[in-house]
Amino acid sequence: NAGVTQTPKFQVLKTGQSMTLQCAQDMNHNSMYWYRQDPGMGLRLIYYSASEGTTDKGEVPNGYNVSRLNKREFSLRLESAAPSQTSVYFCASSWQLVYGYTFGSGTRLTVV
Amino acid sequence: EDQVTQSPEALRLQEGESSSLNCSYTVSGLRGLFWYRQDPGKGPEFLFTLYSAGEEKEKERLKATLTKKESFLHITAPKPEDSATYLCAVQAGESNYQLIWGAGTKLIIKP
Repeated sequence: NAGVTQTPKFQVLKTGQSMTLQCAQDMNHNSMYWYRQDPGMGLRLIYYSASEGTTDKGEVPNGYNVSRLNKREFSLRLESAAPSQTSVYFCASSWQLVYGYTFGSGTRLTVV
Repeated sequence: EDQVTQSPEALRLQEGESSSLNCSYTVSGLRGLFWYRQDPGKGPEFLFTLYSAGEEKEKERLKATLTKKESFLHITAPKPEDSATYLCAVQAGESNYQLIWGAGTKLIIKP
């Protein structure tokens, strides 16, 4: 099925551990995004990649890094996880913003 | 400060009972307003884009409208499968890539 695939679906980390969240899309979209979703708050943009080879900070980039590996793949790395990074992380892609995002099914991350 | 506020936080309706969800915004230079639906444990699913005051979009039992200060998502004769969280987001200013999101309205339709 065409869409956005995220791995893993669930992860528990200890404070200070590192991990990489993987995202791949097969719709030939130029732009890809990483969001976090916390209870009672709107989605917040962490990083985005407007096109292959470019990445830019969003609203809440501190503590995260990203890599646009190729047109299909966009990964998010937590170098030293903190409890404040406990959240649900969504990857999304789009052709153009006005046509809407296609979201992945999310990664539920708990940092203890 | 740019802001998007959705109300109510939660709404319980009987099947067939029509109602509206509200998304109010205070932004500089609205370029587009988006509605998404999110089911539990899943990513949001795109519904509509609205560009200018007076515009309307429809999809099945849903109709979205836009004024200069707010947008409404009207739900006509809802069914239990319409139960979900509905998210509103706004594109404003010069960015081609960043949206401002509301916290969502959780809609529950009881049979």
